[in-house]
Amino acid sequence: DTGVSQDPRHKITKRGQNVTFRCDPISEHNRLYWYRQTLGQGPEFLTYFQNEAQLEKSRLLSDRFSAERPKGSFSTLEIQRTEQGDSAMYLCASSLIGGGEKLFFGSGTQLSVL
Amino acid sequence: GENVEQHPSTLSVQEGDSAVIKCTYSDSASNYFPWYKQELGKGPQLIIDIRSNVGEKKDQRIAVTLNKTAKHFSLHITETQPEDSAVYFCAAGLGNQFYFGTGTSLTVIP
Repeated sequence: DTGVSQDPRHKITKRGQNVTFRCDPISEHNRLYWYRQTLGQGPEFLTYFQNEAQLEKSRLLSDRFSAERPKGSFSTLEIQRTEQGDSAMYLCASSLIGGGEKLFFGSGTQLSVL
Repeated sequence: GENVEQHPSTLSVQEGDSAVIKCTYSDSASNYFPWYKQELGKGPQLIIDIRSNVGEKKDQRIAVTLNKTAKHFSLHITETQPEDSAVYFCAAGLGNQFYFGTGTSLTVIP
């Protein structure tokens, strides 16, 4: 499977714990995006990388959130001191510069904070 | 920033009928308009897209139209089938960001 891969698919955690999600983009895709989606809403932009550089962050991304993309390949999204309001689907997407801006999404990580 | 509104939020059609979903956007600089289909438990899947220099695009039973002057675009699905049942999202692309509508839950009744 050469699509965008996300791990884990589901994560249940207690309030105050830290969680980390991983995204493996389509190989050779140089742009990687993180989105958050809550029930009944469309995806909301969090941040994006071009290769290993984090070029843009949404104001939705509080200081408790950090994303990395070492070596411009896979990416991780960490949430520290989780809150119940962090419960959502976290989606990763990738695209290729010059590929017509087409975004390809993974299946997401569903986070539930108890 | 960009604001994308999508209507209706739910839509039920009989199998074989057509379905139309409409979106409006606020920023005239937006130049790329994709449509995504999302099935339960899955990520959004790109089904069709259109750029601001094109007024209409068709791919088999799916078509998208864009009116730049009015800043609205629509998705048309003809000869609907039960497997078309899903949530559909429109989006407007501005620079490196994509702004999504709130989704339309389409149900195709056999």
